[in-house]
Amino acid sequence: GDSVTQTEGLVTLTEGLPVMLNCTYQTIYSNPFLFWYVHYLNESPRLLLKSSTDNKRTEHQGFHATLHKSSSSFHLQKSSAQLSDSALYYCALSENYAQGLTFGLGTRVSVFP
Amino acid sequence: DMKVTQMPRYLIKRMGENVLLECGQDMSHETMYWYRQDPGLGLQLIYISYDVDSNSEGDIPKGYRVSRKKREHFSLILDSAKTNQTSVYFCASSYGGSQDTQYFGPGTRLLVL
Repeated sequence: GDSVTQTEGLVTLTEGLPVMLNCTYQTIYSNPFLFWYVHYLNESPRLLLKSSTDNKRTEHQGFHATLHKSSSSFHLQKSSAQLSDSALYYCALSENYAQGLTFGLGTRVSVFP
Repeated sequence: DMKVTQMPRYLIKRMGENVLLECGQDMSHETMYWYRQDPGLGLQLIYISYDVDSNSEGDIPKGYRVSRKKREHFSLILDSAKTNQTSVYFCASSYGGSQDTQYFGPGTRLLVL
C-alpha cells in the first residue's frame, strides 16, 4: 500500500539557518499528488505546498519543494528559518481523487533565537 | 471567508458513553473528511464523504460511524466510546477529491475516561 516517510520527531533550529525536512513516499500510481501541510499551535492545519509535476519547484511563504518521481521524494526546504516557522509539518500523498490523503507521522520544528 | 467549524472544541466523556462530533463548512465543498491526530502517529483518516449519504471508510474506521445528511454538515459518532479513542479529531473539506486543497477545522479534543 501507499506510505509516506518523513523526518521523524523534533527538529530544532537556530533562527537564520536553513531548513530541510525530508519526505519520501511509496505508491503504485504513476501520477501522485504530494503535499506539505503545516500545523501551527492553536490553529488549524493548512496547506503549505503541493505538486504533481515531476522535477518542478513549487514555492510558498519562503518554503520550496520539488517532486522527484525518480527518487519518490518531496523534500521541504527554506533558506533561512524564522521563529514563526515553529510548527508541526506533515508530508502527505494522494494517489487518486477518490481516496483520502496518506500523511506522514509529522515533524515538529522548533526555531530558537 | 472559507471556514470549517467544529463543535464542541473540548469534550470529556466516560467510557461507554456515546459521542457526537459535528463539523460544518460554508464552501459548498463536495468532499469532507474526519481525521484523528495522535502524538507520533500523525493524521489518520477515519472516514471520507463524497457528498450527502455517500461515505466511505478510511484507514481506521473501527469504532466510528458518520452521517452526512446535508452537504455542509458531517458528523462523527462514537457509539460506546473507548479510552483509546481519546484524541484530537479534525474535520476537513475539499472542493473535489483529495488532490484538491483540504481545509481543516480547529479540531475537537476528546478525552474518554
